[in-house]
Amino acid sequence: GDSVTQMEGPVTLSEEAFLTINCTYTATGYPSLFWYVQYPGEGLQLLLKATKADDKGSNKGFEATYRKETTSFHLEKGSVQVSDSAVYFCALSSGGYQKVTFGTGTKLQVIP
Amino acid sequence: DGGITQSPKYLFRKEGQNVTLSCEQNLNHDAMYWYRQDPGQGLRLIYYSQIVNDFQKGDIAEGYSVSREKKESFPLTVTSAQKNPTAFYLCASCSKDLSTDTQYFGPGTRLTVL
Repeated sequence: GDSVTQMEGPVTLSEEAFLTINCTYTATGYPSLFWYVQYPGEGLQLLLKATKADDKGSNKGFEATYRKETTSFHLEKGSVQVSDSAVYFCALSSGGYQKVTFGTGTKLQVIP
Repeated sequence: DGGITQSPKYLFRKEGQNVTLSCEQNLNHDAMYWYRQDPGQGLRLIYYSQIVNDFQKGDIAEGYSVSREKKESFPLTVTSAQKNPTAFYLCASCSKDLSTDTQYFGPGTRLTVL
């Protein structure tokens, strides 16, 4: 079945540091890939997505490129802010209504 | 404003009691979902519904029940058969196709069994 593996946290960075959160996946066919963000005590919000190979999703300075050859969708940001502190989830969907498969989440803490 | 509301935000239950979590959306979405979130385990699908009066079991449906009598509402009942119900519960909705349409989440309900 489908699965998503993302790097364990927590990740602690200083403000303005470069961020990478690794994500790899296993799926049949050609899934769509997502990054969601969850702020403390809240639900998840879609951060970015990519629906086919070599697509780059981007939003709020975050980027991720759909790499079919390495089955990866790593999240990057050039300069993190304290307000980026949250839990980040990598996810995939093989389509239809059925479900989204989530990784276990990576907690990011940015210190001033 | 369009969105998903969940109530209550915090819920306490005694062992052996059933409890119902509310989820309402005004996005006119066809599909609705219930997930359970436990620390370090990501989100796991409990039930989903593609259309009114129809729903399907997800990966961890045992001890839970749902109904979908109205398009905008998808309540979840945690029954006494659920062995470890303490968790954060998230409701979500999507217009049609999860691979192309955004899945929107509610703010969650934290259930604690005393």
